[in-house]
Amino acid sequence: RKEVEQDPGPFNVPEGATVAFNCTYSNSASQSFFWYRQDCRKEPKLLMSVYSSGNEDGRFTAQLNRASQYISLLIRDSKLSDSATYLCVVNTPGGSQGNLIFGKGTKLSVKP
Amino acid sequence: ETGVTQTPRHLVMGMTNKKSLKCEQHLGHNAMYWYKQSAKKPLELMFVYSLEERVENNSVPSRFSPECPNSSHLFLHLHTLQPEDSALYLCASSQGTGTSGMHEQYFGPGTRLTVT
Repeated sequence: RKEVEQDPGPFNVPEGATVAFNCTYSNSASQSFFWYRQDCRKEPKLLMSVYSSGNEDGRFTAQLNRASQYISLLIRDSKLSDSATYLCVVNTPGGSQGNLIFGKGTKLSVKP
Repeated sequence: ETGVTQTPRHLVMGMTNKKSLKCEQHLGHNAMYWYKQSAKKPLELMFVYSLEERVENNSVPSRFSPECPNSSHLFLHLHTLQPEDSALYLCASSQGTGTSGMHEQYFGPGTRLTVT
C-alpha cells in the first residue's frame, strides 16, 4: 500500500459545484496532516493544516478520520481560480525532523 | 511573495558540468529542505537540514551534494548528472524541529533542471 494515496483525477466540475477529495495514509503513527495546492509549473503552497476536530477556512473544509486513516478536503462553490492540483501531505515519525510524505495529487479543473 | 527564493529558475546542463542551486529563506525558519519533483511522481524528499546540521539524506546519489552554511541559505551542488535527474528541484523551509506538532513547510519557486 502506498504511504499516501490520492485519486489522481482529473476532476472536471462546473463553477459553483461542490467537490470533495479523499486521501488515505498507511502509517497509523502519522501525526500531522496538510493540504497543499500546486498550480501548473509552480511550487506547492500550503492550503490548510488538518486538525483532529476538522477545520474550515471559507469555502474549504478539511476532515481527519484517524481510525480509517483518511483525510478529506471539501471545496464549496468552486471558482475558476480553484483549478490546480491538490496535494495531501502527511507527517510521519522518522528522523529528527519527521518526514513529510506527499501524495501524487488530485487535479481539479473548474470550468465556466 | 519572497519568503523562499531560489536561483536559477531554469538550468540546462550537460552531464559533465558542475553547477549549484541556491536557496534563501527570509522567514526566520531553522529547517530547510531539498525536494525533487519529476513528472507524474510525488515530491521526493532529498535532504533535510535543521539548525545547519544535515539530519536526513534519503539515499540520494552522491552526484547531489548539499551545503547549508547558515540557517538562511541552502545549496545543492550538482556534478556528473544523468538525464533522468531532469526535474523540478524545490527548496522549502519550516519553523520548529522534531516530529511532534505541525510543521508547515513553505516552498520556493523551484529550479527547473534539464540535463542533456
